[in-house]
Amino acid sequence: DTAVSQTPKYLVTQMGNDKSIKCEQNLGHDTMYWYKQDSKKFLKIMFSYNNKELIINETVPNRFSPKSPDKAHLNLHINSLELGDSAVYFCASSQGGVGWKSPLHFGNGTRLTVT
Amino acid sequence: AQSVTQLDSHVSVSEGTPVLLRCNYSSSYSPSLFWYVQHPNKGLQLLLKYTSAATLVKGINGFEAEFKKSETSFHLTKPSAHMSDAAEYFCVVSRYGGSQGNLIFGKGTKLSVKP
Repeated sequence: DTAVSQTPKYLVTQMGNDKSIKCEQNLGHDTMYWYKQDSKKFLKIMFSYNNKELIINETVPNRFSPKSPDKAHLNLHINSLELGDSAVYFCASSQGGVGWKSPLHFGNGTRLTVT
Repeated sequence: AQSVTQLDSHVSVSEGTPVLLRCNYSSSYSPSLFWYVQHPNKGLQLLLKYTSAATLVKGINGFEAEFKKSETSFHLTKPSAHMSDAAEYFCVVSRYGGSQGNLIFGKGTKLSVKP
């Protein structure tokens, strides 16, 4: 009964391909996020959705497109993959987009390797 | 602008000895500060948070942190290290007041625990 689950866990693909990472949470939270962790373990927020509405959209290439079909799911689609996209991508969720009382719950990450 | 600096990229302690992971922050206003832990191949887990209540914050697994405004520090401590504490630790500040989602992560401190 994993709270925040991401698939796949590992993703190896070639430059130029299009890929998707899926995320689902069963905590009943209304806000979901995508974070990127680079090879130096540096974490940075990419997107945040609250009740299926985009509320945070950091400076990421428009090759990255999040999609939230419902508040329990937030998928990340990446077009025309580049070497620099190699990283670990974490999905997270919380209750309340601006409320600090609810901690972030992270998934276990998707390690994307672009060759 | 908000930022955090983790002063050590790697800390090594012996089992049973105290742990000190150092973090300094910079914030334009009263910050919300957090420590997250990441075990290998896992997502991040909230250890503790400071949100302008008590300056000494107790977290899970025996960890605590003290908010010192005069020193702009939020160091993480534990009296006695356990082997299971070996992980990466992130000091985090909220970018806009208390917002959980829009977080700025430090670069992490890897804690090694020797038997």
